[in-house]
Amino acid sequence: GEDVEQSLFLSVREGDSSVINCTYTDSSSTYLYWYKQEPGAGLQLLTYIFSNMDMKQDQRLTVLLNKKDKHLSLRIADTQTGDSAIYFCAESPTGNQFYFGTGTSLTVIP
Amino acid sequence: GAVVSQHPSWVICKSGTSVKIECRSLDFQATTMFWYRQFPKQSLMLMATSNEGSKATYEQGVEKDKFLINHASLTLSTLTVTSAHPEDSSFYICSARGVGSGNTIYFGEGSWLTVV
Repeated sequence: GEDVEQSLFLSVREGDSSVINCTYTDSSSTYLYWYKQEPGAGLQLLTYIFSNMDMKQDQRLTVLLNKKDKHLSLRIADTQTGDSAIYFCAESPTGNQFYFGTGTSLTVIP
Repeated sequence: GAVVSQHPSWVICKSGTSVKIECRSLDFQATTMFWYRQFPKQSLMLMATSNEGSKATYEQGVEKDKFLINHASLTLSTLTVTSAHPEDSSFYICSARGVGSGNTIYFGEGSWLTVV
């Protein structure tokens, strides 16, 4: 299977920016995604980026893609306590099957 | 947006019994559904892919006789964990795509299974 790696934990102060990093192995992945999982809840699609893009911005979220290094990052500006959750990156070579990272647990300190 | 619902959210069963988890697409026809399993502090791992009316395709290492998947209608897929053991305790989550989902995959809320 594909390998998607993330660091397990990130802690930031409220109001600061959070940057969650992800590396993947399948260079043919067409779609790369970021999902948010709150306690006891399912996965919520935050944003996605096509492999022919370098950057995508959506309100407080900025996704950066470095295809050469197979590195994906999610920046959350002005992080709030409600942003505390587990964030998963995922790659999908076909748009059907997803390969997820281990998830990064983001803790926002008031 | 489209909604995928799982039931039950939490289930505890005795070792050796079978337990069924349902995944429903509430406002679109799910031609394809996916089942994932997530162990603590690990990633979600794809278990199987099911197309409506067809047999599920299982990922390598997933026992098809233990994890029975039925996708008999365009709005319902079920995962039955047969003869459950404590090591089957996990978070199971489904996703679906199809007609009316805008070609997007939507995930259910997940189901926590504890086998005692």
